Amino acid sequence: GQNIDQPTEMTATEGAIVQINCTYQTSGFNGLFWYQQHAGEAPTFLSYNVLDGLEEKGRFSSFLSRSKGYSYLLLKELQMKDSASYLCAVRDSNYQLIWGAGTKLIIKP
Amino acid sequence: ETGVTQTPRHLVMGMTNKKSLKCEQHLGHNAMYWYKQSAKKPLELMFVYNFKEQTENNSVPSRFSPECPNSSHLFLHLHTLQPEDSALYLCASTTGTSGPDTQYFGPGTRLTVL
Repeated sequence: GQNIDQPTEMTATEGAIVQINCTYQTSGFNGLFWYQQHAGEAPTFLSYNVLDGLEEKGRFSSFLSRSKGYSYLLLKELQMKDSASYLCAVRDSNYQLIWGAGTKLIIKP
Repeated sequence: ETGVTQTPRHLVMGMTNKKSLKCEQHLGHNAMYWYKQSAKKPLELMFVYNFKEQTENNSVPSRFSPECPNSSHLFLHLHTLQPEDSALYLCASTTGTSGPDTQYFGPGTRLTVL
């Protein structure tokens, strides 16, 4: 079966750096997405990786290793507003999105 | 402002009621989706419409009935629901083309079935 694994919850301190990991086993691979979802709000797109390596966007970076079935989202200079759930999703060979259950990130002052 | 709106934002209904959820996208997209989001579970894809044609039905019970009258509007008709259907129902849209084809989500309808 197809599966996306990410930690259920993580806690970090304001101003610090946090890395959220995502591992996947899917039927084929056509890209990996990270979304941010604040409580009670819509998921919003953060990043897309289709080739191996690091994609940087301001304070957020996303890394992909297709051979290892692994990605991480790196958040730097954490702010209180970064408290949210972070969803990892992989598009499989049928162009279907397979979603992880999300990682709830708690930022403490 | 995500460009995808959903109404109502909250809905409480009994198991014998009939209600409808509405989604509208203002992005000129061609594909629309219904997802179910339950606590601590992955998003579950329910239905996909491409150019108003249903292209995906992920074994969803018949008590959920989708309708897509045009590329901008999507409805989810609900009847005889069960308490386990309580969840956040998210609508999304995409261009339906190749490349990232990023999903744009609406804010969701929080549904409670009593």
